[in-house]
Amino acid sequence: EDQVTQSPEALRLQEGESSSLNCSYTVSGLRGLFWYRQDPGKGPEFLFTLYSAGEEKEKERLKATLTKKESFLHITAPKPEDSATYLCAVQAVQGAQKLVFGQGTRLTINP
Amino acid sequence: DTAVSQTPKYLVTQMGNDKSIKCEQNLGHDTMYWYKQDSKKFLKIMFSYNNKELIINETVPNRFSPKSPDKAHLNLHINSLELGDSAVYFCASSQERLFQFFGPGTRLTVL
Repeated sequence: EDQVTQSPEALRLQEGESSSLNCSYTVSGLRGLFWYRQDPGKGPEFLFTLYSAGEEKEKERLKATLTKKESFLHITAPKPEDSATYLCAVQAVQGAQKLVFGQGTRLTINP
Repeated sequence: DTAVSQTPKYLVTQMGNDKSIKCEQNLGHDTMYWYKQDSKKFLKIMFSYNNKELIINETVPNRFSPKSPDKAHLNLHINSLELGDSAVYFCASSQERLFQFFGPGTRLTVL
């Protein structure tokens, strides 16, 4: 069964303090790994898709990387507006297009 | 312009009642989904329709019945509501296997 585990569950940083969030996965053939951001009371907002080991994607202060077993979301010099829950999900090659999500990392950036 | 919309945003009802949640997307996507997010923020797929055809039906009680009148709409009907059905329900859409675009969610509270 496809599975995604994210760590840590919660992370509190000072503004400007860089860090990384981890997403470990097991999947029977990876079609894609997805990162989403979710603000309280809202739906997940798409950030990145990664398809193969070694791939990297960047957007503003965020950079996502992928290996054969895990993905990292690196946050450089974060600002308070980066506070949110970050969700990781995988989509398998076989079967339909469902996403299997991790439990998320709740990130808080203090000013 | 709202890409994926859901109604209602909040739904409070008594145990045993029957209720429906509606979802519409104006992105021209061919696949739509229902996800359930529990109190621990864990997102799990329930159903998916591709061009009005059911393609994903996870282990969900048969009190839940999705209906897709056309490829822009996917509704969720729930019979005989139970306390454990309380959660946030998200609708999403995608074009083929590209990233999924989520709606704002419907918070269901069963009393």
